[in-house]
Amino acid sequence: DTGVSQDPRHKITKRGQNVTFRCDPISEHNRLYWYRQTLGQGPEFLTYFQNEAQLEKSRLLSDRFSAERPKGSFSTLEIQRTEQGDSAMYLCASSLGAGAADTQYFGPGTRLTVL
Amino acid sequence: DQQVKQNSPSLSVQEGRISILNCDYTNSMFDYFLWYKKYPAEGPTFLISISSIKDKNEDGRFTVFLNKSAKHLSLHIVPSQPGDSAVYFCAASSAGKTGGFKTIFGAGTRLFVKA
Repeated sequence: DTGVSQDPRHKITKRGQNVTFRCDPISEHNRLYWYRQTLGQGPEFLTYFQNEAQLEKSRLLSDRFSAERPKGSFSTLEIQRTEQGDSAMYLCASSLGAGAADTQYFGPGTRLTVL
Repeated sequence: DQQVKQNSPSLSVQEGRISILNCDYTNSMFDYFLWYKKYPAEGPTFLISISSIKDKNEDGRFTVFLNKSAKHLSLHIVPSQPGDSAVYFCAASSAGKTGGFKTIFGAGTRLFVKA
């Protein structure tokens, strides 16, 4: 399977703990996106990488959130001092990069539950 | 501030009939509009897109119409099939402030196609 993969698929943690998610994009894709989705809502944009450069960040990405894409391949999203409001599905997507029109390919997501 | 709105949370259609999913937006700076389909336990998958300079794009059973003056777009599926039952997200894309791209999703419409 050469699609976008995310690990883990599910994460349950206690409030105050740190969590890290990984995304492996489609290999030739230079753009990588992170989204958060809560029940009954569409994906909310968090951040965007062009190769290893983080070019856009949403105001949703508080100081507790950080994302990296160190070699322009896989990416990690870390949430420090988790809160119950962080419980959501975290989606990663990648694309080839063709202006605003490029098709994003989504992974299956990591479902985070903060107790 | 919901820039992309899908006001119908669900829609039920008989197999073989037309499904029309609607989407409204507020930001006239969007460059592209996209529709994604999502099945349970999977990430969204791209369906069809339209440039802001076009008013119609067709791909097989799927057609997207854009009315810029009304800031409205719609997805037509004809004929509808039971396998089309899924959540459909409308999305709009534009260049970000720092050279990247940002995609805003609506909350989704759940389509039920009855056999």
